[in-house]
Amino acid sequence: AQSVTQLGSHVSVSEGALVLLRCNYSSSVPPYLFWYVQYPNQGLQLLLKYTSAATLVKGINGFEAEFKKSETSFHLTKPSAHMSDAAEYFCAVSGPSGTYKYIFGTGTRLKVLA
Amino acid sequence: EPEVTQTPSHQVTQMGQEVILRCVPISNHLYFYWYRQILGQKVEFLVSFYNNEISEKSEIFDDQFSVERPDGSNFTLKIRSTKLEDSAMYFCASSDDNSNQPQHFGDGTRLSIL
Repeated sequence: AQSVTQLGSHVSVSEGALVLLRCNYSSSVPPYLFWYVQYPNQGLQLLLKYTSAATLVKGINGFEAEFKKSETSFHLTKPSAHMSDAAEYFCAVSGPSGTYKYIFGTGTRLKVLA
Repeated sequence: EPEVTQTPSHQVTQMGQEVILRCVPISNHLYFYWYRQILGQKVEFLVSFYNNEISEKSEIFDDQFSVERPDGSNFTLKIRSTKLEDSAMYFCASSDDNSNQPQHFGDGTRLSIL
């Protein structure tokens, strides 16, 4: 069965520092991959998606993620953290065929230190 | 930008009572989903719905749960006889494609069972 692993339930970075949030999936066939952000008391907002086109995907708010098939990874990065990036981030996988439900990782709470 | 809206934002119900959670998906979307997130845990898939029928459901979605699209705009989740363990945040999502298009999420309904 498909699964998603997010290493690090909590990550703290200084404002202006690199953000790296890790996501690994388990599938022999590359699935569709997504990153969502959840701010307090809000729903899940799409940051970016990978759907078998370019392996480096750019999203909103300066985030990007690189799909690496050899490592079954889809890590999320941002060159310079901003205070407003503090939130919970979820990696999700669906497909690649037959099922389009999302399987979510356990989430990573990002804290940005002034 | 079109949004998925969910009502109520918070529902408090006595154990054993029926509860209906309501969602208005994005108007041109055809695929609808319910997920739940128990406090401190990951977001879990409950059910997907297309063409007026369930297309997939999880083990969580037992006989106590049902979904309905009673008109052209609403999508509801009913829990017939609530249990304490049904306390969670319930998210509705919709998409215009069931493959690589992302799902759009509402802000959720926090269900508290007493």
